[in-house]
Amino acid sequence: AQKVTQAQTEISVVEKEDVTLDCVYETRDTTYYLFWYKQPPSGELVFLIRRNSFDEQNEISGRYSWNFQKSTSSFNFTITASQVVDSAVYFCALSGSARQLTFGSGTQLTVLP
Amino acid sequence: SAVISQKPSRDICQRGTSLTIQCQVDSQVTMMFWYRQQPGQSLTLIATANQGSEATYESGFVIDKFPISRPNLTFSTLTVSNMSPEDSSIYLCSVFQGAGGYTFGSGTRLTVV
Repeated sequence: AQKVTQAQTEISVVEKEDVTLDCVYETRDTTYYLFWYKQPPSGELVFLIRRNSFDEQNEISGRYSWNFQKSTSSFNFTITASQVVDSAVYFCALSGSARQLTFGSGTQLTVLP
Repeated sequence: SAVISQKPSRDICQRGTSLTIQCQVDSQVTMMFWYRQQPGQSLTLIATANQGSEATYESGFVIDKFPISRPNLTFSTLTVSNMSPEDSSIYLCSVFQGAGGYTFGSGTRLTVV
């Protein structure tokens, strides 16, 4: 069975602060994919990143960056210089050989002006 | 990537009735999934919709309550039967497109009164 843990239920920051959302996963598969999704209040899921288990390079996309560490089974997400529009629920997810996505419980990020 | 049209986007239903949610994909896909997101919660997989055979249900979900059809590789329906207020949730369909990629429908926000 696979599992994704997002220990931070809610985070509140002031605009322009940096914030890191934590994600820890468990899987027995040797090949797997990790994802981050954003869910704004409107409810749709916005895809942010996909990372396969063989690629441990960190990735940066604008104000977003991701740190994948297989040794600690973590896939953390950092937003630099946060903005009010970043306020949303962020989900980390894992897919393995069964191709089913397992989601973490989500982190509610609130960015205050 | 595939585009999914999910209908209805929202509905308010009386308890004891049933609602059928449709997902139409603009390309043929092998794997389709149905998720439920209860208020303030994460996404939980209901079932994998298999073309030409019965859906595969996750623990806690049964066919009598959530019958699924998958008549071809571009279409699926999920019915929420004999609804109660506890069924009030967002329901999302998703397709797997290979190389670890998933696309989600825009969701159906169901309120049962």
